[in-house]
Amino acid sequence: ETGVTQTPRHLVMGMTNKKSLKCEQHLGHNAMYWYKQSAKKPLELMFVYNFKEQTENNSVPSRFSPECPNSSHLFLHLHTLQPEDSALYLCASSQEQNTGELFFGEGSRLTVL
Amino acid sequence: AQSVTQPDIHITVSEGASLELRCNYSYGATPYLFWYVQSPGQGLQLLLKYFSGDTLVQGIKGFEAEFKRSQSSFNLRKPSVHWSDAAEYFCAVAPEGGFNTIFGAGTRLFVKA
Repeated sequence: ETGVTQTPRHLVMGMTNKKSLKCEQHLGHNAMYWYKQSAKKPLELMFVYNFKEQTENNSVPSRFSPECPNSSHLFLHLHTLQPEDSALYLCASSQEQNTGELFFGEGSRLTVL
Repeated sequence: AQSVTQPDIHITVSEGASLELRCNYSYGATPYLFWYVQSPGQGLQLLLKYFSGDTLVQGIKGFEAEFKRSQSSFNLRKPSVHWSDAAEYFCAVAPEGGFNTIFGAGTRLFVKA
């Protein structure tokens, strides 16, 4: 398998549930990202990991908890979400020396009821 | 502050007609510049990129873009649009060596027969 793979593709959860989004990249990259894509808004960078170390956290609420166990895997743990958190969550990866060239997964469509 | 502006929320062109999507950026130095495309239900795919050198860059699927420093623009063009080009297009900028790629709000392209 090649590229960036995200699972699940679709997720529906209640506000009290705990769930996780998973991302795996097969490109040998060292940086991984979570972006949030909401309707009619630009992509919002949530978290950046470089060599498993978190380098960016753009004031994301604590109900979103990232985890990067190694350079190939990235998780987004979800807990006590709000309906306004419903969005497409995109994972991306890039080389360590970032040139800004991002490789995206197909996204996980999250609906919070 | 860095920003990316895509003035057109949506554009409709006839199949076979030429296309130009506009992008303006605000950045202190010459950033890395990108165009990405997103088909419905999919992640973003890189169309082309500009780092330095020739200001006219060629990308995949017959797209090209021209960097104009004096206008802080990086417009995307295609001489003849195909129905399969219908998608959303995002302009993006990234600082050299940085991780925070900033995306425009996107331009949705509709292609009519």
